[in-house]
Amino acid sequence: AQSVAQPEDQVNVAEGNPLTVKCTYSVSGNPYLFWYVQYPNRGLQFLLKYITGDNLVKGSYGFEAEFNKSQTSFHLKKPSALVSDSALYFCALSGAGSYQLTFGKGTKLSVIP
Amino acid sequence: DAGVTQSPTHLIKTRGQQVTLRCSPKSGHDTVSWYQQALGQGPQFIFQYYEEEERQRGNFPDRFSGHQFPNYSSELNVNALLLGDSALYLCASSSGPRSTYEQYFGPGTRLTVT
Repeated sequence: AQSVAQPEDQVNVAEGNPLTVKCTYSVSGNPYLFWYVQYPNRGLQFLLKYITGDNLVKGSYGFEAEFNKSQTSFHLKKPSALVSDSALYFCALSGAGSYQLTFGKGTKLSVIP
Repeated sequence: DAGVTQSPTHLIKTRGQQVTLRCSPKSGHDTVSWYQQALGQGPQFIFQYYEEEERQRGNFPDRFSGHQFPNYSSELNVNALLLGDSALYLCASSSGPRSTYEQYFGPGTRLTVT
């Protein structure tokens, strides 16, 4: 079975400061990892993914994520937070031979002006 | 370029009734997945359709069924509705069934069962 954990329900950060949203995973075999963002009353928007290769992945809106196989983590980062980054962030996982995405519970990011 | 569209936006049903939700995938996509998102939770995978067949199913009862049409659009049917079926139902499309492909989500259908 595959699973995703987002250990923080909420992250607060001041505008202009760096932000990190944490994600850990469990899967048999190689993981395929994704980050999505959800704004109120909207669907999920794809930010970035890790499939293979470079452990640092760059995505939309200045976000990046670092894959760490030994720690089974895939933390989302941004060097300088914007108020408009305030939203709900989901980490998701799929594995070879599985068509489904398994999501974490989500982390609410609040960027304070 | 049209993204994933879903209809209706909102729906209110009574326990025991049946409901059909509809999804049109993003242009160029041929694979559709359905998810249920309960309040305060992450989306839960229901099933995926590719080439008009159900490719994989999550941990949902047979009351949940689906269909994919030749134009790649899809329907989700839920029979014998329960109060616990109240949720946001999300449709996602991708350019193939491979697990490495990112999925693009529609805005969802909010189902309320009373």
